[in-house]
Order: sequence, then C-alpha cells, then structure tokens
Amino acid sequence: DARVTQTPRHKVTEMGQEVTMRCQPILGHNTVFWYRQTMMQGLELLAYFRNRAPLDDSGMPKDRFSAEMPDATLATLKIQPSEPRDSAVYFCASGLGTGNGNQPQHFGDGTRLSIL
Amino acid sequence: DQQVKQNSPSLSVQEGRISILNCDYTNSMFDYFLWYKKYPAEGPTFLISISSIKDKNEDGRFTVFLNKSAKHLSLHIVPSQPGDSAVYFCAASGLGQNFVFGPGTRLSVLP
Repeated sequence: DARVTQTPRHKVTEMGQEVTMRCQPILGHNTVFWYRQTMMQGLELLAYFRNRAPLDDSGMPKDRFSAEMPDATLATLKIQPSEPRDSAVYFCASGLGTGNGNQPQHFGDGTRLSIL
Repeated sequence: DQQVKQNSPSLSVQEGRISILNCDYTNSMFDYFLWYKKYPAEGPTFLISISSIKDKNEDGRFTVFLNKSAKHLSLHIVPSQPGDSAVYFCAASGLGQNFVFGPGTRLSVLP
C-alpha cells in the first residue's frame, strides 16, 4: 500500500534554530500539500505544489517559512528562524490534481514539532 | 471566517448505535466533499466522499448525506464500533479550489 512518508516524525529544538521537514509523496502523484494542525485551527493549508511548481503558499508566513520541491520524490518545508508558536504537527499530503478539486489527498503521519 | 464548520468538537456514542457527525459550509461554489478519519499520531485517512450531483453516498457502515440548499452534510456510522473512535474531519472543494478542512469532531464510541 503506497504511503506518503514524512521525516522526522518528531523534532524538538530551541527557538532560533532552522527546522527542515521532508516529505516523499506517493509515486505518480503530481500534487503535494503542506498542512499545519493546531488545537485551535484544525488543518491549515500552508503550501501547495502541482507538478513541482508552487501554486499557492498564501497560508505560509513568508518571512520565516519556505517550501520547495527539489524533485518529484521530495518536498521540503523549512522554518528559519523557528519560534515557539511554530510548535504544531505538520502534515504533508499528495494526490492526483487535475484542477477540478475532486481527488482525495493522501496524508503522511506528520512531523510533531516542538520549539522550546 | 471559517468556510467549513464542524460545530461539535466532540461526540460520544454507545457501541452499536448510530453516530451522526455534522458539517456546515458557507461557500456555495463547493461541489465536492470528503470525510477523513484521524487516529492519534497518524495522518488523516480518506473515508468517503460525495459530489454535489448526489445527495447520498454509502460505503458499508458509512453514509454521507448532502443537503445543498442548507449547505450541510452529515456522516452516519451504523453500527458504531469502538475502532471508529477518532477525529473526523470534513473537507470541501470546488473547481480550481483546494480543499478546505473543518476543525474536526472527536468521536468516542463507548463499549
């Protein structure tokens, strides 16, 4: 059963440090999403790629967050510098995007980030 | 302003009874709706979907109902089982739009 793989599963670091989260989408999927789950907001969309091109990163604080897809098998989400308010679970999801918004996304198990 | 709302943060149901989870949306352009289930320390998993051309979709114990005029959908689980205890997210999308997720409802099925 194909799965989205996220690493690391847990990360604890001090504020001000750089954090890099990685995601391997399901082979053949052409869309990749980064979400953040917090107690108050549920699942917030941070960034969205189709065919490795960034299409929407309006949900991301641009001053400290960056998302890239160096190749079709790797997506990264970086935070620099990290702050305690960034503590959350970050999910990556992949899917087959045709532009009509009706394909379910497949989620990884998330990276639980704690910034001290 | 939340476009997808799940107004019940939690729900408890006795094993064997029906669980009904509700979801409301505000954007009339949404035409595709999904439910995801999430266990602790795991990512959400796709459960069931419905297109706006239908008002009901059934898959085993799970049925989703859509009331477009009320901008409301619900997920029915019959009969409920302890393994159904999880957080359930409602999500909606439209043409050219990404999915918007609700805040989730935590379902507890009591033995």
